[in-house]
Amino acid sequence: KQEVTQIPAALSVPEGENLVLNCSFTDSAIYNLQWFRQDPGKGLTSLLLIQSSQREQTSGRLNASLDKSSGRSTLYIAASQPGDSATYLCAVSGGGSGGSNYKLTFGKGTLLTVNP
Amino acid sequence: GAGVSQSPSNKVTEKGKDVELRCDPISGHTALYWYRQSLGQGLEFLIYFQGNSAPDKSGLPSDRFSAERTGGSVSTLTIQRTQQEDSAVYLCASSPPLAGYNEQFFGPGTRLTVL
Repeated sequence: KQEVTQIPAALSVPEGENLVLNCSFTDSAIYNLQWFRQDPGKGLTSLLLIQSSQREQTSGRLNASLDKSSGRSTLYIAASQPGDSATYLCAVSGGGSGGSNYKLTFGKGTLLTVNP
Repeated sequence: GAGVSQSPSNKVTEKGKDVELRCDPISGHTALYWYRQSLGQGLEFLIYFQGNSAPDKSGLPSDRFSAERTGGSVSTLTIQRTQQEDSAVYLCASSPPLAGYNEQFFGPGTRLTVL
């Protein structure tokens, strides 16, 4: 069974700081990995998707890397802003017995607070 | 363009009643998913529809849960004889028809409270 772990569970930083969120998964036979943000009481917003053959993806101040063989991904946020405050979720498809290329397994998330 | 929409946004019901939750995927998306987000369990997969193929119902927690997708677009998740443990946020997502890619776009969710 695929399991996804996110560390830390919560992070508080001052505005302007660069930060890294970590995600690990137990079975490296994944199809892709997706990072989301979730604001309180809202749905999920897709940030970045990395296919299993890729090493990283970038969007604006966000950079996500994937080390499939070691079962790890990091989300790097540059020059953090108060508007970045949210819960960040990592999810993978595939892995585990009968893993599919569509069924996402989620971590519990990292609650990020960026203080002005 | 318009994203995934879900209705209602909030639903409060009494234990034992049936509820229906609706999802409108992004136009042109062939894949549709339902997930459940609860405090104790995090986000869990429930069911997956892809075009006219048989759905993957492997995540449905009991036979009180069912879902259908009419005309390859709108989907309804039905929970019969609701229980308090069904209280959660039910999220719908859709994906475009790109093989092997499957980036999922989520709706705002329906918050279900069973009293």
